[in-house]
Amino acid sequence: GAGVSQSPRYKVTKRGQDVALRCDPISGHVSLYWYRQALGQGPEFLTYFNYEAQQDKSGLPNDRFSAERPEGSISTLTIQRTEQRDSAMYRCASSLLAGGPGETQYFGPGTRLLVL
Amino acid sequence: KQEVTQIPAALSVPEGENLVLNCSFTDSAIYNLQWFRQDPGKGLTSLLLIQSSQREQTSGRLNASLDKSSGRSTLYIAASQPGDSATYLCAVRGGETSGSRLTFGEGTQLTVNP
Repeated sequence: GAGVSQSPRYKVTKRGQDVALRCDPISGHVSLYWYRQALGQGPEFLTYFNYEAQQDKSGLPNDRFSAERPEGSISTLTIQRTEQRDSAMYRCASSLLAGGPGETQYFGPGTRLLVL
Repeated sequence: KQEVTQIPAALSVPEGENLVLNCSFTDSAIYNLQWFRQDPGKGLTSLLLIQSSQREQTSGRLNASLDKSSGRSTLYIAASQPGDSATYLCAVRGGETSGSRLTFGEGTQLTVNP
């Protein structure tokens, strides 16, 4: 595709429900990243993949958060038993291949999650 | 742990003015530094990327400089226009121990008044 796409763009859910956020990276991009951005803050790293392998999940805040990329393309970030503090913009980015000083990450429009 | 700070948090200028946005980071062991633009309802757009071995990058009216040893970068915008109004984010990609993650500052919200 032309750019990174994310769905849904907006998600309203009730506390305690599970949500799944989807990211479709730029075609051919090997690396995929998830970030979370609170209002008025910069994005914070959650996790990233090379192909289907999760390389770093140190940014996931707790075990309610998980991510997968089973075929090395589309990725899903799942939040179980959502809490109000999970409300934020969730951003996905992709790059040709992680590593190297010239790597540029391309960001999608984000999914705005609101937990009531 | 890498920390990135941006000053000022907000800036309002009249059209045509030249302006400077500042970014500082605590760990000088970085691979690169990127400046992004964030518009409401849209993704982040990469403006400039400066590799650790470089001192500056230019694109049109934008010029970004990097002083890795002092942990500072500046984004210079010449002849500002109302269309430049957005939030500008600075992000660093750390060294070996940080992997490929980007660490962002909190951003500078720029308003250019016609």
